[in-house]
Amino acid sequence: SQTIHQWPATLVQPVGSPLSLECTVEGTSNPNLYWYRQAAGRGLQLLFYSVGIGQISSEVPQNLSASRPQDRQFILSSKKLLLSDSGFYLCAWSPSPRNEQYFGPGTRLTVT
Amino acid sequence: GDSVTQMEGPVTLSEEAFLTINCTYTATGYPSLFWYVQYPGEGLQLLLKATKADDKGSNKGFEATYRKETTSFHLEKGSVQVSDSAVYFCALRLTDSWGKFQFGAGTQVVVTP
Repeated sequence: SQTIHQWPATLVQPVGSPLSLECTVEGTSNPNLYWYRQAAGRGLQLLFYSVGIGQISSEVPQNLSASRPQDRQFILSSKKLLLSDSGFYLCAWSPSPRNEQYFGPGTRLTVT
Repeated sequence: GDSVTQMEGPVTLSEEAFLTINCTYTATGYPSLFWYVQYPGEGLQLLLKATKADDKGSNKGFEATYRKETTSFHLEKGSVQVSDSAVYFCALRLTDSWGKFQFGAGTQVVVTP
């Protein structure tokens, strides 16, 4: 069966520091991968999606970037965090564009 | 553009009460529709889905019917339990080739004993 992991589970970082969040999927190959951010009490905002290694599409211009160095690995990064980057970051995968998405457990990021 | 609108919460109800969460959508083409549930501090879990008009998705006592004529996908459960307390998200899958989803803002449900 397929499993999606995210780490770390929680993170507290000062403003201006770098960020690296990792997401990996097990038990499948060539998944579609997605990064979402959920601000407190709000819905999900799609940040990035990827249909293959090195293929990243950005939904909104912001202080974040994403990379997919391996087939089942998706990384969310920032060079300098802002207070507004605080939130709950969710990674999701889908076996194909026609399927539902499956979510990881999320990373709670607090920028201080 | 495509969008999902769901009723604002929190929705507070007693155990064994009937639950309805309204969801309407705007979309080009014929999107697939989904309900996800999020328990505190966790990721989203797929609750049910419907891929075409008049389809009924069901799971764990929850049901939702894809109504093309009213562009709706309302979630219902006949008798809620305290364990159903969570945030519920309605979503549609865009008809583009990338499989992107559009989520509603979420509705918090609180069930009291």
